[in-house]
Amino acid sequence: EIVLTQSPGTLSLSPGERATLSCRASQSVSNRYLAWYQQKHGQAPRLLIYGATSRAAGIPDRFSGSGSGTDFTLTITRLEPEDFAVYYCQHYDRSPPAPFGGGTKVEIK
Amino acid sequence: VQLVESGGDLVQPGGSLRLSCAASGFSVGGHYMSWVRQAPGKEPEWVSVIYGGDSTYYADSVKGRFTISRDNSRNSLYLQMNGLRAEDTAVYYCARAPSRWEFLIFDFWGPGTLVTVSS
Repeated sequence: EIVLTQSPGTLSLSPGERATLSCRASQSVSNRYLAWYQQKHGQAPRLLIYGATSRAAGIPDRFSGSGSGTDFTLTITRLEPEDFAVYYCQHYDRSPPAPFGGGTKVEIK
Repeated sequence: VQLVESGGDLVQPGGSLRLSCAASGFSVGGHYMSWVRQAPGKEPEWVSVIYGGDSTYYADSVKGRFTISRDNSRNSLYLQMNGLRAEDTAVYYCARAPSRWEFLIFDFWGPGTLVTVSS
């Protein structure tokens, strides 16, 4: 099973700044089957990115995903107040399991 | 599209619980539907998926103890949980996959229901 390691654990930034979140897989991810979610306190996760680079429906274009192989990145170009949350990456394939990373918290500096 | 879970409760180790998820705005029978759980302060963990003619997959951590099912006439999803352990304590979410090609990612989630296993 692929293990996902996210870094940093916490990112302290100000509104308007750029956020760069990393997700590293223990083995190469086939077909770029990597997703990103945003989760706010007390809410369910929200799908942001799938297939490493495709934005889910309704997701603003300030969110972008990149990467391949074992290294993936979620970039938020200009942080809005509503973007301060926890972000998870997830590996998936055509059969289970579908593990999540440990998360990166983006907090207001 | 809306998903609403119910049935979470405090239960003793070794006990059983049945979770329900009522769907609206789409048909559960036409989508891959999963249960995903999240223990306090931890990342989400996929638990089980049902699809097609009631084919299922389970995470190794719940295999043999949990059973996923659905009732298309009630447009609802269920999770029967037996032999509960302390490590099953979590918020349980019902979630929908966006397509059959990517059925282990989730574009709609319910608000979740809390299951606590403790004596």
